[in-house]
Amino acid sequence: EIVLTQSPATLSLSPGERATLSCRASQSISSYLAWYQQKPGQAPRLLIYDASDRATGIPARFSGSGSGTEFTLTISSLEPEDFATYYCQNRDNPIAFGQGTRLEIK
Amino acid sequence: EVRLVESGGGLVQPGGSLTLSCAASGFSFSSYSMNWVRQAPGKGLEWISYISMRSSTRYYADSVKGRFTISRDNAKNSLYLQMDSLRDDDTAVYYCARPRGVYYFEYWGQGTLVTVSA
Repeated sequence: EIVLTQSPATLSLSPGERATLSCRASQSISSYLAWYQQKPGQAPRLLIYDASDRATGIPARFSGSGSGTEFTLTISSLEPEDFATYYCQNRDNPIAFGQGTRLEIK
Repeated sequence: EVRLVESGGGLVQPGGSLTLSCAASGFSFSSYSMNWVRQAPGKGLEWISYISMRSSTRYYADSVKGRFTISRDNAKNSLYLQMDSLRDDDTAVYYCARPRGVYYFEYWGQGTLVTVSA
């Protein structure tokens, strides 16, 4: 069973800054990783799938990279609406989510 | 427009049962596998179950295996989750989710809250 570990748990940044979120898998998952954004009281939203492909309607400031066991979600220049919690997810069975990174306004 | 609407949540005593429903619209329901994902209050996301397009394959997380049963009715465009032997730690918002491909969750419902408490 694959375990996904996200870091940091909380990231404090200001609008306009660059955000780098990490997700580490306990064993290689090739490029089979997704990233989600969740705001309080809302369902998650798919941002990135297969490690680097943006989902429909996702702004270009969101990008994903990595393969094997190390993955990164980058937000190039933070907008006010980007402050939320982010989760990574593997594609294999059983599906696992990371514990989340909370991106807060500094 | 793809729409997923969960219902059936509520307060149930430990050891009790509950059935959740998810009504799907705006897409060809029978052409997609479906999943249930839950989120305990203040906690992260937990995938709990998968069902293939024709119900031939079903997967469960270890935490619910043997207690929960996923099913679907393609004629009614509906997904179900039968939950038995409920425990306090089953308290969560339960989401149905339609994947992009097979395992990435592109569309989510608004969730339905299940509270297990005496």
